Amino acid sequence: DIQMTQSPITLSASVGDRLTITCRASQNIDNWVAWYQQKPGKAPKLLIQKASSLESGVPSRFSGSGSGTEFTLAISSLQPDDCATYYCQQYNTYSTFGQGTKVEIK
Amino acid sequence: QLQLQESGPGLVKPSETLSLTCTVSGGSISGTNYYWGWIRQPPGKGLEWIGNIHSSGSPYYNPSLKSRVTISVDTSKNQFSLSLSSVTAADTAVYYCARRGVGAPGGFDYWGQGTLVTVSS
Repeated sequence: DIQMTQSPITLSASVGDRLTITCRASQNIDNWVAWYQQKPGKAPKLLIQKASSLESGVPSRFSGSGSGTEFTLAISSLQPDDCATYYCQQYNTYSTFGQGTKVEIK
Repeated sequence: QLQLQESGPGLVKPSETLSLTCTVSGGSISGTNYYWGWIRQPPGKGLEWIGNIHSSGSPYYNPSLKSRVTISVDTSKNQFSLSLSSVTAADTAVYYCARRGVGAPGGFDYWGQGTLVTVSS
């Protein structure tokens, strides 16, 4: 099975900060990675797919990069509405989600 | 606008079978370009992929659940379904249905609102 290891698990930052979340795959998954945002009581929302393709309607402050085994989700300027838990997902072989990263405002 | 809606019992007894249905509206489930999937989330925990099915009827499952899971599709009703047998308290979770594209780019782009299923006697 392919494991996806996310870090950090929690992240506290100020409005306007740039932040990055990393996801490492246990084996090469090319660029078959998606990133989701989930707010409490809501379904996950797709932000990025194929590692770097921004979903329509998602603010341009979100970006994704990486290939092979290491992937990054970046938020260029943190906004209060970005408080949420973020998950990576590989879909190269079956599918696996990372453990999630909870983003809080300082 | 595509919409997905989960339905089914909110309470299931241990050792019994959990059965859920996802009804798709605003689009056809019969297209060749999409998989239809189930994902679950235990209370306070992360997401776990359960399995996907194509409208052609070809399913594939999370290896850790494969022995207990069946996903099927009914194109006449624009629905797909999940059965999970021999449930225990560890299967208590919010269950989501979702759509993903075949091939690139391939993320789950439409989700249902989720339904909480509790396993308890």
